[in-house]
Amino acid sequence: GAVVSQHPSWVICKSGTSVKIECRSLDFQATTMFWYRQFPKQSLMLMATSNEGSKATYEQGVEKDKFLINHASLTLSTLTVTSAHPEDSSFYICSATLASEQYFGPGTRLTVT
Amino acid sequence: GESVGLHLPTLSVQEGDNSIINCAYSNSASDYFIWYKQESGKGPQFIIDIRSNMDKRQGQRVTVLLNKTVKHLSLQIAATQPGDSAVYFCAEKMEDTDKLIFGTGTRLQVFP
Repeated sequence: GAVVSQHPSWVICKSGTSVKIECRSLDFQATTMFWYRQFPKQSLMLMATSNEGSKATYEQGVEKDKFLINHASLTLSTLTVTSAHPEDSSFYICSATLASEQYFGPGTRLTVT
Repeated sequence: GESVGLHLPTLSVQEGDNSIINCAYSNSASDYFIWYKQESGKGPQFIIDIRSNMDKRQGQRVTVLLNKTVKHLSLQIAATQPGDSAVYFCAEKMEDTDKLIFGTGTRLQVFP
């Protein structure tokens, strides 16, 4: 139980375009989901907290207009990287909360060319 | 031995030996701690957790020790196997929040 999926697992996009990443809790409902970014050989950095039915809460230094988060249902949160640039290339990981425990997705590798 | 790379410390151990991975956490108000294992290109995988009212917790082949006085956490892996090779992160959670703060991570390399 408590499986979280992400789609796509990897994506390559051109600079200036937008890309959407989906995070789904497959067998449970998650009021809260989190989005993390991880650069090579570094730790996971929390980007934002996504709450179903309300606006996301962004961590300091994360541009909310660039990283659009939508949490329209209890099983789906999406992260849209708008006007992507090469420096946005990273590994994006989501997690979904069940009974205060976070269950992590497999991650999405974004490469911006 | 243990070495510090550009970003990620590395611990190299021989198969069958015990491994000890250390973590210093940042907030004395944190009341819950978790160790995660991350293999290349994958998301973090839960290993073991401990609450602040405990100082030791054991799982299968793994033990977590918590020293709140010096804000230090360690993960001990017994009889380390090649499949244990991965990056290990500690994470802390403060009371009244579900947010996790991750440590810098340690790469464990197991050689035959």
